[in-house]
Amino acid sequence: DVKVTQSSRYLVKRTGEKVFLECVQDMDHENMFWYRQDPGLGLRLIYFSYDVKMKEKGDIPEGYSVSREKKERFSLILESASTNQTSMYLCASSLSQLAGPSSYNEQFFGPGTRLTVL
Amino acid sequence: KQEVTQIPAALSVPEGENLVLNCSFTDSAIYNLQWFRQDPGKGLTSLLLIQSSQREQTSGRLNASLDKSSGRSTLYIAASQPGDSATYLCAPTGFQKLVFGTGTRLLVSP
Repeated sequence: DVKVTQSSRYLVKRTGEKVFLECVQDMDHENMFWYRQDPGLGLRLIYFSYDVKMKEKGDIPEGYSVSREKKERFSLILESASTNQTSMYLCASSLSQLAGPSSYNEQFFGPGTRLTVL
Repeated sequence: KQEVTQIPAALSVPEGENLVLNCSFTDSAIYNLQWFRQDPGKGLTSLLLIQSSQREQTSGRLNASLDKSSGRSTLYIAASQPGDSATYLCAPTGFQKLVFGTGTRLLVSP
């Protein structure tokens, strides 16, 4: 079974702190994603990566950056946390669509990190 | 830009009922569509993935259909159980990326 793990289930930080959220997958997936989920707004894509050291902005990248130094690990960085970044953060991974039709691009999610910024 | 709507937003049924959750999307140029389940405070669990060339997919008591040309998908749950209580999300896939609806919150009472 695919396993996607996230470094923390709950995190409390103060405004202005630099925050790192880590995600690791064990299925050799090319694609990795970071979403945030807020009531009434659903899941929104922050960034995704389709290969090591590659990244692409999603729908709401402002205030965030990412790092992918190894295939299995994708980090989300809040350079200077703000209260409006209080949210549930979800990481996901999938095979690359370029791998061929058998990949089906099915996404698998981690358990989430609930971040509170005070 | 893809927009996804799920109806109803919330549903409450007694145990044993068969039910249908609806998903509509505006851009029919999709590769596949995925249905997820989310329990409160948890991550998403993949339930079914329907490829764009398929019409339906089944897993146990769940059956999902896809009509790409009309931009619709339905998730059918047979003989609902209290353990089915969760939020159900649909997500059509463009190239490499999913777009999510806001979900249907299902409550199945004993």
